[in-house]
Amino acid sequence: SQELEQSPQSLIVQEGKNLTINCTSSKTLYGLYWYKQKYGEGLIFLMMLQKGGEEKSHEKITAKLDEKKQQSSLHITASQPSHAGIYLCGAVPAANNAGGTSYGKLTFGQGTILTVHP
Amino acid sequence: SAVISQKPSRDICQRGTSLTIQCQVDSQVTMMFWYRQQPGQSLTLIATANQGSEATYESGFVIDKFPISRPNLTFSTLTVSNMSPEDSSIYLCSVDLGDEYEQYFGPGTRLTVT
Repeated sequence: SQELEQSPQSLIVQEGKNLTINCTSSKTLYGLYWYKQKYGEGLIFLMMLQKGGEEKSHEKITAKLDEKKQQSSLHITASQPSHAGIYLCGAVPAANNAGGTSYGKLTFGQGTILTVHP
Repeated sequence: SAVISQKPSRDICQRGTSLTIQCQVDSQVTMMFWYRQQPGQSLTLIATANQGSEATYESGFVIDKFPISRPNLTFSTLTVSNMSPEDSSIYLCSVDLGDEYEQYFGPGTRLTVT
């Protein structure tokens, strides 16, 4: 089965600092999703990466997928208290790639808890 | 994108009872998914619900415990049956927007079983 390892497990930064969260897979990824979750709430979709070497940005958040498609990083520039929350990566297992209809069956990492001090 | 609502948002239930969670989407979607997030844990997929067919359950989850209905392309329900404290979790539905490969989640239902 697909295993996803996120690091670090938790991160405390001062407002304005840059930070990076990593997500490493035991198998080649077919697709990789990044979500943000506020405590006890639903998941907010951030980005989805599919191609090796792909990079996407949204506001101050940039996500990359390496060429081998086994590792992704999420980088936040000039962090703000509003960035605080739990960041989760979710993987689409390559074995389920059947006509694009199995993208919803995600395996998730354990999450990274981000705290940003003002 | 998709707007997803869930009812109830939270509930406290007694052991041995059942709770039905509703998930409503603002557009028609082929596939809907139900996940569970136990306290301090990440998300685990329970089952996939397609309209007009029986739900497909992941390993460790059975229909008798988590019956699912999918009567149309915008709605699904998950029932947590014969609840025990171990069922205390956040239950989330999600939808796959197909060609766009974007996966959206509902706000979740926080269930506490006493």
